[in-house]
Amino acid sequence: DVQLVESGGGLVQPGGSLRLSCAASGFTFSRYSMNWVRQAPGKGLEWISYISSSSITTIYEADSVKGRFTISRDNAKNSLYLQMNSLRDEDTAVYYCASPGYSSAWYGVYWGQGTLVTVSS
Amino acid sequence: EIVLTQSPATLSLSPGERATLSCRASQSVSSYLVWYQQKPGQAPRLLIYDASNRATGIPARFSGSGSGTDFTLTISSLEPEDFAVYYCQQRGNWPPAFGQGTKVEIK
Repeated sequence: DVQLVESGGGLVQPGGSLRLSCAASGFTFSRYSMNWVRQAPGKGLEWISYISSSSITTIYEADSVKGRFTISRDNAKNSLYLQMNSLRDEDTAVYYCASPGYSSAWYGVYWGQGTLVTVSS
Repeated sequence: EIVLTQSPATLSLSPGERATLSCRASQSVSSYLVWYQQKPGQAPRLLIYDASNRATGIPARFSGSGSGTDFTLTISSLEPEDFAVYYCQQRGNWPPAFGQGTKVEIK
């Protein structure tokens, strides 16, 4: 079975940094495009970043995180990452990794359980 | 950037009733419209992709329709486990925006 497990969330002060990880299992990770989606407490969903599966990496980032967050992947470790810098109060959210499977489409068939990031002084 | 507007915000229905949820896009998304169900404390669950295709394992009581800017998710007869929040999402243009959600609650 496909499994995605996020980790790395926690409490961080405004202006600080955090690195989220998403460990993948049950499928050939290198063949799946991957995404990060977040959800502020009690709010809706926001798609924030995409990375392709191909050897020629394609990355998209939402304007809300551009220049501050960086998505990356390590296919040898079956892992997806989100480096978050210059964190703001409004970045407080549950962060999910998600994938459409063997597709480059921007929707989530498979989702992790999420990891909570709290930005507060 | 495409904006999705869902209506109503809340739908109060009884088990066995029919639920009709609407999603309207600010510009055409062709058929690149996705529906999810989310329960408290859980990740979203894919229900419908590309407007009308049920995802694997999704019961037949869930159906999607529409194209262009107007889409509908229909739950033909509500089961107790269907009371949740439903989101639409367009996948045709970056960023893949979500609607604000429709909460289906027990009347």
